[in-house]
Amino acid sequence: EIVLTQSPGTLSLSPGERATLSCRASQSVSSNYLTWYQHKPGQAPRLLIYGAYNRATGIPDRFSGSGSGTDFTLTISRLEPEDFAVYYCQQYGSSPLITFGQGTRLEIK
Amino acid sequence: QLQLQESGPGLVKPSETLSLTCTVSGDSISNSDYSWGWIRQPPGKGLECIGTIYYSGSTYYNPSLKSRVTISVDTSKSQFSLKLSSVTAADAAVYYCARHRYSGSYRWFDPWGQGTLVTVSS
Repeated sequence: EIVLTQSPGTLSLSPGERATLSCRASQSVSSNYLTWYQHKPGQAPRLLIYGAYNRATGIPDRFSGSGSGTDFTLTISRLEPEDFAVYYCQQYGSSPLITFGQGTRLEIK
Repeated sequence: QLQLQESGPGLVKPSETLSLTCTVSGDSISNSDYSWGWIRQPPGKGLECIGTIYYSGSTYYNPSLKSRVTISVDTSKSQFSLKLSSVTAADAAVYYCARHRYSGSYRWFDPWGQGTLVTVSS
């Protein structure tokens, strides 16, 4: 059974800083099937990155994804106030077919 | 623009069956490039995929919930539904429906509904 482990659990940064969020899989994941979402309280999760590094429509270029195999990273180059949220990685393909990481909370320092 | 809206009781008694419906508007539920999914988030916890369904009725269920889950689709109403039997307090969560998009070799959930809170209590 595949497990996605996100780190850190909470990341405290200030606007303007760079955020680096990690998603590590217990077994190899196809890059095509690694997705990142942003989730704010009371809102629907928002698609950010699909295929490990492809920005979804309308996503600012300060968001970027990278990685392969078992290690993936979401980077936010310069944090804006609206970027503080919980971020989830998600994989498709390994058993269970669809799994999410436990999330990284990005909070204002 | 595709929109999804969850509906159903916000309170379910322990041991009973949770039933939710997701209504799809703005696109065809019968598009073969999509399946339709249910995802939940218990209070203070992360996201968990419950399962997905194609317009044809083909389903995927999370193995951890498979014995209690039924997902069905009604293309005539542009709706798909979730039934979760024998609920306990552990099933209390915000339940989201979402489109599972297939594009080339990529897969992702987008968009999502706003979510509906289900409480389990007698």
